[in-house]
Amino acid sequence: EVQLVESGGGLVQPGGSLRLSCAASGFTFSSYDMHWVRQATGKGLEWVSAIGTAGDPYYPGSVKGRFTISRENAKNSLYLQMNSLRAGDTAVYYCAASRLGYLDYWGQGTLVTVSS
Amino acid sequence: DIQMTQSPSSVSASVGDRVTITCRASQGISSWLAWYQQKPGKAPKLLIYAASSLQSGVPSRFSGSGSGTDFTLTISSLQPEDFATYYCQQANSFPRLTFGGGTKVEIK
Repeated sequence: EVQLVESGGGLVQPGGSLRLSCAASGFTFSSYDMHWVRQATGKGLEWVSAIGTAGDPYYPGSVKGRFTISRENAKNSLYLQMNSLRAGDTAVYYCAASRLGYLDYWGQGTLVTVSS
Repeated sequence: DIQMTQSPSSVSASVGDRVTITCRASQGISSWLAWYQQKPGKAPKLLIYAASSLQSGVPSRFSGSGSGTDFTLTISSLQPEDFATYYCQQANSFPRLTFGGGTKVEIK
């Protein structure tokens, strides 16, 4: 059974940092591009970052320079280091696995709240 | 960046109705389009990829069509479990992805 389990979410003050983790099982993790997608309460889906099978990272302008995505294939794990957090980063963060840009597998999400 | 626009933002329908949702890309994306279904408190689920290919396990009442800039998701006969929010997503510029704003299918 495919599983993606996120952890590391929580309450953080503006300007603070948080590191999210995603543990994968049930599929060949190293063969998939991995993504982080977030969703603010009552809002739509927003792509946050991606990392290719070779470890090449990609970011949209809204988080570039503040977020860092990484993966550890030996541990079937994906990470998202988030720095300089803002209120607008408050959302549920999902990790997802894709081939050719289609998000086949999703985790259950972890909530990040940025507030003083 | 490629922008994705969905319409309508919400639709009210009854069980058994045919429902059509449209998605327009700001530039041509060939057939690099996916559709997802999301129920409250749950992660999205992939329904359709490559514009018209049904993901394994997805009921055949779901279908997708289109290419270039205009796409549609059709539910041929709405079932109670289909009330949810649907998102389109372009994969033309993968791994950089863009989602549409979503369409909520509500009970009439």
